[in-house]
Amino acid sequence: EVQLVESGGGLVQPGGSLRLSCAASGFTFSSYWMHWVRQAPGKGLVWVSRINSDGSSTSYADSVKGRFTISRDNAKNTLYLQMNSLRAEDTAVYYCAREGSGSTRGAFDIWGQGTMVTVSS
Amino acid sequence: SYVLTQPPSVSVAPGQTARITCGGNNIGSKSVHWYQQKPGQAPVLVVYDDSDRPSGIPERFSGSNSGNTATLTISRVEAGDEADYYCQVWDSSSDHPGVFGTGTKVTVL
Repeated sequence: EVQLVESGGGLVQPGGSLRLSCAASGFTFSSYWMHWVRQAPGKGLVWVSRINSDGSSTSYADSVKGRFTISRDNAKNTLYLQMNSLRAEDTAVYYCAREGSGSTRGAFDIWGQGTMVTVSS
Repeated sequence: SYVLTQPPSVSVAPGQTARITCGGNNIGSKSVHWYQQKPGQAPVLVVYDDSDRPSGIPERFSGSNSGNTATLTISRVEAGDEADYYCQVWDSSSDHPGVFGTGTKVTVL
């Protein structure tokens, strides 16, 4: 079964750090670009970051640029999001998502269940 | 950055047709993808590349894209279709390439 499972969320104080993980299974992880998408409580989906299949290229939303770092370990089939200098407005459910290949390129065809990050004192 | 605008809500009776629009500047030149999200669940891809359906998605879900508007159409609406729906494009020419629409809540009356 194709699956993505996030972990690492929790409560953190403003200015703190957190590292999210996303474990992939059921597909050749190293062949796919991967993304993080977040959703604040009661709000819509917001794209956060993307990494290509071998980890050599990344991009970020302006709101997290310079504070968040996306990375991957293809040997461990795991995607990461290192979040530093966290702010209250970073509070959200964070989803990892697989970008499709071929005709589904640019679409997010597999999603994890999400992990909640709460930034509060 | 690129902006995608959706109506906040659409209401439809069971068995009728729901149409959800997604407006963006010259969106017809881009590939548009649509997601369904039910409360407490992760989004699910229902239409990709304007009008194609992933395996397992009913034929009742269809899409179109032209000019400045993309549309997701749900035919013969069922109670289980009640959810939030989001359009999305990947704007590779932008510094902020990943863009989601504002989302539409579909209510089945």
